[in-house]
Amino acid sequence: KAGVTQTPRYLIKTRGQQVTLSCSPISGHRSVSWYQQTPGQGLQFLFEYFSETQRNKGNFPGRFSGRQFSNSRSEMNVSTLELGDSALYLCASSSSGRVDEQYFGPGTRLTVT
Amino acid sequence: GDSVTQMEGPVTLSEEAFLTINCTYTATGYPSLFWYVQYPGEGLQLLLKATKADDKGSNKGFEATYRKETTSFHLEKGSVQVSDSAVYFCALSGEGFKTIFGAGTRLFVKA
Repeated sequence: KAGVTQTPRYLIKTRGQQVTLSCSPISGHRSVSWYQQTPGQGLQFLFEYFSETQRNKGNFPGRFSGRQFSNSRSEMNVSTLELGDSALYLCASSSSGRVDEQYFGPGTRLTVT
Repeated sequence: GDSVTQMEGPVTLSEEAFLTINCTYTATGYPSLFWYVQYPGEGLQLLLKATKADDKGSNKGFEATYRKETTSFHLEKGSVQVSDSAVYFCALSGEGFKTIFGAGTRLFVKA
């Protein structure tokens, strides 16, 4: 069974631009969560989707948004990029409705200049 | 709210040494507890889990026991290898459809 895939793997953007990251979960997994990982803040929860519905959201500004499609693939969007948005963005999928053990993708490394 | 606290790193050990990484948690209800590992340039991988009090999770020589009375889930390994060098995250999954992660502990194992 294929693992969680994330595209692109690396991205360089300029302040003020917007970016869209994509995540394809493991086949059959309906829950997708997004995290931001930085050396200073560690792993911070962005949001979680299950069957196209956002069930939980972390403490991030409205510039960060996401969605999930009927095939469980998910995208996250960051508008008006800031230097502080430079991070590794990780997507994880889970088979259970409760968000139990998660399977992570390799991440998208976003650099904002 | 729910939280996870784990020992700060880095932890530096010689090969074949005993490893302990401490983890304590605060949560309402009965969370599931996890240890994840992250190797350089990769995403996190589930190392082991425990879903109820007194459960012991184990994998690849690593073990951790869910201690409700001390709200702890310490990670142990009897004999570490250079290939165990990585960042280890303690985590809990409780209410609210999200997983809470600790800050991570970097482990260096010297040959």
